[in-house]
Amino acid sequence: QKEVEQDPGPLSVPEGAIVSLNCTYSNSAFQYFMWYRQYSRKGPELLMYTYSSGNKEDGRFTAQVDKSSKYISLFIRDSQPSDSATYLCAMTITNAGKSTFGDGTTLTVKP
Amino acid sequence: DTGVSQDPRHKITKRGQNVTFRCDPISEHNRLYWYRQTLGQGPEFLTYFQNEAQLEKSRLLSDRFSAERPKGSFSTLEIQRTEQGDSAMYLCASSFFAFSAPGASGNTIYFGEGSWLTVV
Repeated sequence: QKEVEQDPGPLSVPEGAIVSLNCTYSNSAFQYFMWYRQYSRKGPELLMYTYSSGNKEDGRFTAQVDKSSKYISLFIRDSQPSDSATYLCAMTITNAGKSTFGDGTTLTVKP
Repeated sequence: DTGVSQDPRHKITKRGQNVTFRCDPISEHNRLYWYRQTLGQGPEFLTYFQNEAQLEKSRLLSDRFSAERPKGSFSTLEIQRTEQGDSAMYLCASSFFAFSAPGASGNTIYFGEGSWLTVV
């Protein structure tokens, strides 16, 4: 079983919808939790990171971490067609170097 | 501020040939990482450097793979005797790790656009 599991999707929503993307993990030592957006045939782009538990908001994006449940989420409000991409969660043990990624959820936002 | 730069972006090679990829990190970043990504999968860690020291290598990095960062700036990833299973996107990333104040900057990494390898 993988250390990081991500809802595979694909996910298709109408423009303006609220999107919820989720990951679970098994390693309780993870402390940094990241979300990346990846367009087709491009490198991943860092969207947000959260340290330990709690919420973090950046514009239309909100990241949540629940360490007790080993569960993280990314919410996208007022989704736009330009949000159509693959979203990857990633996590790392503090200062360890290596990040462990989920396999991504592909999101399509229809106009 | 330029981002992480990778070269070449695409490489098609015959099975058994050697290939080399180059990565130039963000200029002030002292950590450099290599990942591999295949279709439908997330990036898989291969190795990382702190300055010129290679601090960790994954079991995925077989004897045919070698990475170097000779002067603590750019890095190369060489694959010898390529096999069809090596076909993937090879991603380079970098971060700044502050020894005196480790925090988010060292633990969040920034990727380049990747180098696509096709072995035929």
